[in-house]
Amino acid sequence: AQSVTQLDSQVPVFEEAPVELRCNYSSSVSVYLFWYVQYPNQGLQLLLKYLSGSTLVKGINGFEAEFNKSQTSFHLRKPSVHISDTAEYFCAVRNSGNTPLVFGKGTRLSVIA
Amino acid sequence: ETGVTQSPTHLIKTRGQQVTLRCSSQSGHNTVSWYQQALGQGPQFIFQYYREEENGRGNFPPRFSGLQFPNYSSELNVNALELDDSALYLCASSLEGIRNTEAFFGQGTRLTVV
Repeated sequence: AQSVTQLDSQVPVFEEAPVELRCNYSSSVSVYLFWYVQYPNQGLQLLLKYLSGSTLVKGINGFEAEFNKSQTSFHLRKPSVHISDTAEYFCAVRNSGNTPLVFGKGTRLSVIA
Repeated sequence: ETGVTQSPTHLIKTRGQQVTLRCSSQSGHNTVSWYQQALGQGPQFIFQYYREEENGRGNFPPRFSGLQFPNYSSELNVNALELDDSALYLCASSLEGIRNTEAFFGQGTRLTVV
């Protein structure tokens, strides 16, 4: 069975500082990987996805993530955060084909002015 | 905005009652998935419908049931509500088949069971 571990439940960071949100997954087959963001009282918005090809994936709002197959990781990074990046971030995995997403428990990013 | 709409946005029910949540999928999408997100947790997969048939189910009891209609909209029904059913219920739609898309989520329905 697939699983996703988000290693940090909360990450406080000062505005304009870089941030990394960590995600590790376990799966015995090839996977697709996703990062979603959730603002308060909202649904999930896709930040970026890895399906195949280049292991460095660029997403919206200046975020990027790197797929590392040997370490089964898909960490999310941003070189300079803004107050508006304060939200909950979820890493998710799914197999190819019509299969559901498996989510981590989320990381709350708090950007401090 | 994803084009996936859910109704109602908020709902309060009493333990033991039944509830129906609705989801209108994005135009052209043929798959709808439902997730339960308890407070402080990640979304948990409930079930998925593809072309009106259930084609996957998570670890949820039979009192959680659903439907998908010919226009690919969907309902989630929960019978005999329990306090632990209080959560944000998220619907996601996608296109599955020869060309696949990622899942697009609605804003969710916040269910409170008292």
